[in-house]
Amino acid sequence: AQSVAQPEDQVNVAEGNPLTVKCTYSVSGNPYLFWYVQYPNRGLQFLLKYITGDNLVKGSYGFEAEFNKSQTSFHLKKPSALVSDSALYFCAVRDVPNTNAGKSTFGDGTTLTVKP
Amino acid sequence: GAVVSQHPSWVICKSGTSVKIECRSLDFQATTMFWYRQFPKQSLMLMATSNEGSKATYEQGVEKDKFLINHASLTLSTLTVTSAHPEDSSFYICSASPLVNSRNEQFFGPGTRLTVL
Repeated sequence: AQSVAQPEDQVNVAEGNPLTVKCTYSVSGNPYLFWYVQYPNRGLQFLLKYITGDNLVKGSYGFEAEFNKSQTSFHLKKPSALVSDSALYFCAVRDVPNTNAGKSTFGDGTTLTVKP
Repeated sequence: GAVVSQHPSWVICKSGTSVKIECRSLDFQATTMFWYRQFPKQSLMLMATSNEGSKATYEQGVEKDKFLINHASLTLSTLTVTSAHPEDSSFYICSASPLVNSRNEQFFGPGTRLTVL
């Protein structure tokens, strides 16, 4: 079985400050990790993914995430937050890389609020 | 990027009626589509995996006779909520994976808000 934990329901940061949204995972095999963002009453938008390769992954809108195998973490980061980054963020793990075969498990989500 | 649409974007229905939600991949073919439901301020819960030309695979606890899934073509999957009740009110989101998926991507629809009175 696979699982994802996002320990923080809410993260508040001031505009211009760095932000971190935490995610830890549990999977029996190799982890395939994803971050998505959701705006109110909208579907999910893909931000970035880790499949293999460099542990630091860069994605959309200036976001990046670092895969840490020893800590089983995949925290989402951004050096300088924008008010428009305020949204709901989901971390997801898949047990096989091909989405046609593997199912995604989502964390509970973290609401990011960036204050001007 | 690839686009997935859902129709309708919102629907209000009376208890006991059935509601059909469509999920379409607009510019790519998808052998597999996934259906999720999301309660307010909660995560996405996978309901079923829809495979073109075959029966859907339902997650444990999801009633297959209540949530009918049809994946009739490589660009269309439908979810029908039969005999809807107020507890079925939720945000339903579909996602689709391209037939050729070397980038391991999954594209999400904008969601359908179902309210059962």
